[in-house]
Amino acid sequence: DTAVSQTPKYLVTQMGNDKSIKCEQNLGHDTMYWYKQDSKKFLKIMFSYNNKELIINETVPNRFSPKSPDKAHLNLHINSLELGDSAVYFCASSQVLAGVGEQFFGPGTRLTVL
Amino acid sequence: GQQLNQSPQSMFIQEGEDVSMNCTSSSIFNTWLWYKQDPGEGPVLLIALYKAGELTSNGRLTAQFGITRKDSFLNISASIPSDVGIYFCAGQSSPGKSTFGDGTTLTVKP
Repeated sequence: DTAVSQTPKYLVTQMGNDKSIKCEQNLGHDTMYWYKQDSKKFLKIMFSYNNKELIINETVPNRFSPKSPDKAHLNLHINSLELGDSAVYFCASSQVLAGVGEQFFGPGTRLTVL
Repeated sequence: GQQLNQSPQSMFIQEGEDVSMNCTSSSIFNTWLWYKQDPGEGPVLLIALYKAGELTSNGRLTAQFGITRKDSFLNISASIPSDVGIYFCAGQSSPGKSTFGDGTTLTVKP
């Protein structure tokens, strides 16, 4: 059973397009995240949702809009894609209410904007 | 925001050697986490540390939570080729809010 899953694994698209990435976790966690990993492998937090409510929103262009239909899902929609959006996007989840909060990551979505 | 300095940035070692990497911060953290990322995969949690001074092992891996709460190290003993990957530290000041180091890329030569 995959704990944190993301689709698609790879996404190649043209500049200006709109695309979505989906994430699901079956760990029963209360918090989900989106991270961006650039070409230098730096991991940066983008968003965090706790029980469907946005709790972290780092300095991310408003072309990026997360949506959490329920606490097991966190999707990321990106409008008007730019070349600089090319990166690997990781979804993660954690059980913050347990007081520890270590994150479990999905396999990543490699986005390439042409 | 909080910054983590992770070093070294990369390591090239011979199979069988021991490895040591560390993270330091100007801020105090309540939890230290160590992750490994294999190529094409997401980071996988190796060790979690919850108390200052705590020393925890997971097989050939040993990690310590620094007594000042501003640093942590990870040691790998008797490295093998499958240890290759990127190792990340992460500090948490509150549950779920991780600040990640920039990673240590480990290459193991057989």
